[in-house]
Amino acid sequence: DAGVIQSPRHEVTEMGQEVTLRCKPISGHDYLFWYRQTMMRGLELLIYFNNNVPIDDSGMPEDRFSAKMPNASFSTLKIQPSEPRDSAVYFCASSLAPGIGEKLFFGSGTQLSVL
Amino acid sequence: SQQGEEDPQALSIQEGENATMNCSYKTSINNLQWYRQNSGRGLVHLILIRSNEREKHSGRLRVTLDTSKKSSSLLITASRAADTASYFCATDRTRSGTYKYIFGTGTRLKVLA
Repeated sequence: DAGVIQSPRHEVTEMGQEVTLRCKPISGHDYLFWYRQTMMRGLELLIYFNNNVPIDDSGMPEDRFSAKMPNASFSTLKIQPSEPRDSAVYFCASSLAPGIGEKLFFGSGTQLSVL
Repeated sequence: SQQGEEDPQALSIQEGENATMNCSYKTSINNLQWYRQNSGRGLVHLILIRSNEREKHSGRLRVTLDTSKKSSSLLITASRAADTASYFCATDRTRSGTYKYIFGTGTRLKVLA
């Protein structure tokens, strides 16, 4: 398996623009997580899905952020409109069953810069 | 809020020395995991310890867990330059059947050759 695949690797956009980050989890993994990493706040869990259904989105910072998982092999995280404070590295991770201690597999991340 | 807090925030040691990192957390857990992150890369799982375990080994890694103190430590023995990375603990938190891992702030380890 190729692992968790994220795209794009880097994204530079201007304030106010819409940004869409994409993630392909490992085949067979039932759980998908979106994290955001910054120097100030570390790794923050934004939202996670189980079997394509959003389970906990309490970490989504505000209504400008939305995430979808239309099928088991694809998820998107959208920011509209984007702001400079959204600049961060966004990671997607997938797992079999975290409740029994299955490990998370992370993608390489998307480095987002909002100017 | 972050569940885990690592200590120290940064650590610099000579190759061959041991490195110890600590993690404290706030609520009851089912298990605790340690991850490594190389610069510019995603996190990679190192080791998992369950709440009913006190110590676990994997190669040069040794993890301890003290649930009474809500703390864990990661020991890397005979460190190598390639161990230079950030290390994070992650704790699961279950509520009403939901599962999610919360990561600490990380320890930046630098191993000098």
